[in-house]
Amino acid sequence: GAGVSQSPSNKVTEKGKDVELRCDPISGHTALYWYRQSLGQGLEFLIYFQGNSAPDKSGLPSDRFSAERTGGSVSTLTIQRTQQEDSAVYLCASSLYGLSSYNEQFFGPGTRLTVL
Amino acid sequence: GNSVTQMEGPVTLSEEAFLTINCTYTATGYPSLFWYVQYPGEGLQLLLKATKADDKGSNKGFEATYRKETTSFHLEKGSVQVSDSAVYFCALLIQGAQKLVFGQGTRLTINP
Repeated sequence: GAGVSQSPSNKVTEKGKDVELRCDPISGHTALYWYRQSLGQGLEFLIYFQGNSAPDKSGLPSDRFSAERTGGSVSTLTIQRTQQEDSAVYLCASSLYGLSSYNEQFFGPGTRLTVL
Repeated sequence: GNSVTQMEGPVTLSEEAFLTINCTYTATGYPSLFWYVQYPGEGLQLLLKATKADDKGSNKGFEATYRKETTSFHLEKGSVQVSDSAVYFCALLIQGAQKLVFGQGTRLTINP
């Protein structure tokens, strides 16, 4: 079946512009996660959605970052007034229920964002 | 806090060599431990996991043992192949938490 998909695969933008990154989770998965993978860094948790509950935004690095999940499915990560340090690969993941040692997280291929 | 430290890469080996990628962790509570692999152009995939001390996770010839006494979860493979070339990430999950904590990743290149 279809996995997690993300679009665009690559995005180049100018400093100060806003960008939107899209994630389509696996159908039926109630939990959705965004991570950021910066050069030479591990994956950094950004935000987590579970069903209709309020999202866990504890990993968002600044108020320029926001995310929403419409209809419990597709999610959009928005970065306003992009800065060069925002350049990274943004990964989306989904899981059937909440994350546990028995409930695997499936990752998308990522969106590579370059801020010039 | 919770953190994962991995062996710095890149690591380059010849085919059929023995592989070890070190991973140590710091955690509050009792984490589950994971190794993820990212092949070129693909998303992260779960490689193996262990949920409690002394558990051994294994998959595709890779193994890792959860060592509570040394807070380690080193990844090993007895004979690597060119197709094992990828970036490997060690990660932990605290029970009840909803986010994986990842190490910085180790790039592995296997030469024929």
